[in-house]
Amino acid sequence: NAGVTQTPKFRILKIGQSMTLQCTQDMNHNYMYWYRQDPGMGLKLIYYSVGAGITDKGEVPNGYNVSRSTTEDFPLRLELAAPSQTSVYFCASSPGLAGVETQYFGPGTRLLVL
Amino acid sequence: GDSVTQMEGPVTLSEEAFLTINCTYTATGYPSLFWYVQYPGEGLQLLLKATKADDKGSNKGFEATYRKETTSFHLEKGSVQVSDSAVYFCALNPLTGNTPLVFGKGTRLSVIA
Repeated sequence: NAGVTQTPKFRILKIGQSMTLQCTQDMNHNYMYWYRQDPGMGLKLIYYSVGAGITDKGEVPNGYNVSRSTTEDFPLRLELAAPSQTSVYFCASSPGLAGVETQYFGPGTRLLVL
Repeated sequence: GDSVTQMEGPVTLSEEAFLTINCTYTATGYPSLFWYVQYPGEGLQLLLKATKADDKGSNKGFEATYRKETTSFHLEKGSVQVSDSAVYFCALNPLTGNTPLVFGKGTRLSVIA
């Protein structure tokens, strides 16, 4: 049982480049989330999904896009990378709404935009 | 909006010392409260939670009590180990807004042998 997996672990992007951060969970959870963690700060929610085909914005969605075509996968897309997007990105999942149900986190993707 | 304030780190303790990490919150109503732990190179894991006033969450020797009168949820452990070295996040589940959890900034704990 792998839980929540994320790829890549680390990536360097140039300003203006695009990339997709991958997230997969094998727990059949309906809810999935993307957070960013800036140095010395708590996690901020970027987007979340309550099931396949349904996504919604979190606190800091600008500059990102998501899709949820299957229960297992929830990729995060950066279209035009900016230095402000340098951060650590965490994907998480839960069987029900987080706060009621426990969230399970992936190991994170460290992104550096230069 | 709802918010969580944690004591600034880093905190450095010797093995077997007593640990307290302070956490206070501002919220509408009475949210559930959580402590998450992030070990080096890993994602966050739920450590403990409390869902109503006076509840005590506990796990792995850690405890925290939901204090409505002081709006606090301080994390304590009687005797820390080197393996407890990690970043600890206090969080709450807001009753309004578009995020399921509001996190504090985290407190880094280093335990030395």
